Amino acid sequence: EDKVVQSPLSLVVHEGDTVTLNCSYEVTNFRSLLWYKQEKKAPTFLFMLTSSGIEKKSGRLSSILDKKELSSILNITATQTGDSAIYLCAAKSGAGSYQLTFGKGTKLSVIP
Amino acid sequence: NAGVTQTPKFQVLKTGQSMTLQCAQDMNHEYMSWYRQDPGMGLRLIHYSVGAGITDQGEVPNGYNVSRSTTEDFPLRLLSAAPSQTSVYFCASSTWDSGYTFGSGTRLTVV
Repeated sequence: EDKVVQSPLSLVVHEGDTVTLNCSYEVTNFRSLLWYKQEKKAPTFLFMLTSSGIEKKSGRLSSILDKKELSSILNITATQTGDSAIYLCAAKSGAGSYQLTFGKGTKLSVIP
Repeated sequence: NAGVTQTPKFQVLKTGQSMTLQCAQDMNHEYMSWYRQDPGMGLRLIHYSVGAGITDQGEVPNGYNVSRSTTEDFPLRLLSAAPSQTSVYFCASSTWDSGYTFGSGTRLTVV
């Protein structure tokens, strides 16, 4: 059974701090690892990491895929209150499936 | 671009009532799916479809029906609502190589 585990489950930091969110996965014929940000509504796409693209960066957010360790990290530097959200990690299997297996998320709270 | 459109945004049902949650996408995505999200449980897959006329069950299908008569539409039917179906429901679509695009969600309360 495919599995994605995120840690920590919740995190409280002060504005300006740097945070690292962790994601480990066990999926059949791994294809890609995705990160989403969920504020009050639907998850919004952040990054997709594959064998051909193991590091992505967008502004203060960056993510790295470690295929050897079956894990990924999401880094956020110089955090802002607007970064407060649930961050979801998901893994896609290549075994003839479109399905994503989601972790339960990390709830990040950034306080002024 | 509309993306994935879900209706309604909010709904209150009485136990035993039935209803249909609508989902439509305009991106020509072959894959569509329904999730429910509950506190501490994460996103759980209810049903999914890989194309018109093809549907299959996910992790928590009991009490729900789906159909996929067109590429664009993937409605979710609650047959006889129960309080355990109180949740936030998301529809999502994708292609083979892309991540999911989510609808804005439906907050359902069953009393």
